[in-house]
Order: sequence, then C-alpha cells, then structure tokens
Amino acid sequence: GQNIDQPTEMTATEGAIVQINCTYQTSGFNGLFWYQQHAGEAPTFLSYNVLDGLEEKGRFSSFLSRSKGYSYLLLKELQMKDSASYLCAVSDSNYQLIWGAGTKLIIKP
Amino acid sequence: IAGITQAPTSQILAAGRRMTLRCTQDMRHNAMYWYRQDLGLGLRLIHYSNTAGTTGKGEVPDGYSVSRANTDDFPLTLASAVPSQTSVYFCASSESVGLPTDTQYFGPGTRLTVL
Repeated sequence: GQNIDQPTEMTATEGAIVQINCTYQTSGFNGLFWYQQHAGEAPTFLSYNVLDGLEEKGRFSSFLSRSKGYSYLLLKELQMKDSASYLCAVSDSNYQLIWGAGTKLIIKP
Repeated sequence: IAGITQAPTSQILAAGRRMTLRCTQDMRHNAMYWYRQDLGLGLRLIHYSNTAGTTGKGEVPDGYSVSRANTDDFPLTLASAVPSQTSVYFCASSESVGLPTDTQYFGPGTRLTVL
C-alpha cells in the first residue's frame, strides 16, 4: 500500500530552527510537495522537490532523498505566524497526490 | 473572483438529504479535485477531473458523484448523506496533470455536518 508518515505534532521556540520529517512508500514517484495549513484554512503550497537535494526558499528549505524515501522541511528564524500544520504529499505513478496526515507545529515565545 | 471559490462555507444536513457542494475556479485550470479532510487523516481524494468532460474516482468515491460540464465548475453531490460524510471538503485545481510541477491550489473549504 501507499503510506506517508510524518510526526503528529512538534513544538519549537520563536526564532529557532525546526525540521519536519516525512517518509514515504508509494507506487511510483513524481515529486514531493509540502503545504502549509493554518487552522480553519485551506492548504497553501510551500515547495516541490523531484530531484535529490536541498531547495531553499527564504526561511523555508525542503530536502529530498529518493533512495531513502525521505524528505524534510526546514523552517528557520521561526515566527509565531509559522504555527500551522505542515502537510507532506507525494505525486504517485498516476500523478495523484498521496497525503500525510500533517504535522502540527506549535511555536512558543 | 480570483482563484477558487466554494459554497456553502458550512452546512448542517439531515441524514438522507441530497446536497451539492459547489466549486468554481477562474484560473482556466484543466484539472480539478475534491478532497475530504478528517482529523488525524491526510487529505483523501474523492473524485477528480483531468479536463472538462471527464471525471475519475479517487480513493474514497462511494456516496459521492461529480460532473464537469465546463472548465470552471466542478460540483460534488452527496445523493443521500450519512453521518460518516461529516468532514471538511476542499476543492482544488491544477493547471494540468502529468507534469511534475503541477501544483494544486485549494479553495477555502466547506465544513459539512450530517446529523
């Protein structure tokens, strides 16, 4: 079966760095997406990786290792507004997204 | 309008009633999707449409139907609602399907409660 695993909840301090991990087992791989979802709102796109390595976009970076079925989202200089759920999704062999349950990130002052 | 709109924002529905959730996008995207989101579970695909006039079943299609008469609209119908269909429903769209960078963009969601 297809499976996406990520931690349920993480806590971090304002100004710090946090890494949210995602491991996956899917039928085929056509890229991995990270989305941010604030409580009561729609998911919004953060990043896309299809090749191994690190993609940096401002305070957010995303890493992919296809051989290990592993990705992480790195958030630097955390701000209170980063409190949200972070969703990992893999595009499978049919280009359909398989979603993890999301990681709720709590930022403390 | 800009992006994707959904209606209604929220709804309380009696079991057995028929309900249509509306979704409209103005980005001229070819592909559209319906997901449900339940606590502790990832987004689950209900139905999708790769282009106007075509639809397909996702992971959890039972009890739901869709149509795609034109590019902009993708309504989701619950023929006879049951309490297990209580969920938050998101409509999404992407420019196309089959390209690695086809990012999906989401509407604001409809919170549906079936009693």
